[in-house]
Amino acid sequence: GEDVEQSLFLSVREGDSSVINCTYTDSSSTYLYWYKQEPGAGLQLLTYIFSNMDMKQDQRLTVLLNKKDKHLSLRIADTQTGDSAIYFCAESISPGTYKYIFGTGTRLKVLA
Amino acid sequence: SAVISQKPSRDICQRGTSLTIQCQVDSQVTMMFWYRQQPGQSLTLIATANQGSEATYESGFVIDKFPISRPNLTFSTLTVSNMSPEDSSIYLCSVAGPLREQYFGPGTRLTVT
Repeated sequence: GEDVEQSLFLSVREGDSSVINCTYTDSSSTYLYWYKQEPGAGLQLLTYIFSNMDMKQDQRLTVLLNKKDKHLSLRIADTQTGDSAIYFCAESISPGTYKYIFGTGTRLKVLA
Repeated sequence: SAVISQKPSRDICQRGTSLTIQCQVDSQVTMMFWYRQQPGQSLTLIATANQGSEATYESGFVIDKFPISRPNLTFSTLTVSNMSPEDSSIYLCSVAGPLREQYFGPGTRLTVT
């Protein structure tokens, strides 16, 4: 089945690291993505990782992929109040269709 | 990345009426998508809109309720027909990039009374 699970809430203090987790079930996924949605806005692409990679780092963002466990995580270093938002992971399935399955979303709250 | 705009940004509509949402992209793109995001929920794909062909609808969504037009490579519309309060949602369009990444518009917040 196609199901992407995330924990609903995460609260961290400003300056700490945040780790947002995602589990997926479709082992044929070739691309996995992280999106950020601020209140009243659309989704902003943060980063992505190919399924043949274990890790990708992009400035304050680190993505880890464990294909064996079908587990994806997003680490935000030095979390700022501007990072408060909902974070969605998404997997691209069915190689020819560009169709996504989105996770349930994690609401990150950064405490000053 | 593409820059995407949507109109209207929000609307309040009466049940039984229809609303057409416009999506404009600043570059030519092949694949466009329409999503629904119900309050506090994740995104659900309504349909894929490719220029020159009929939209492909996902399970649970039908053309009579959500007709889509794609007249050219930079524009699409989604109509929400015969609205009921259950249609109150955010409607988002997106376009696909070369790495299957998607770029989203700001969304249209629809409230049906």
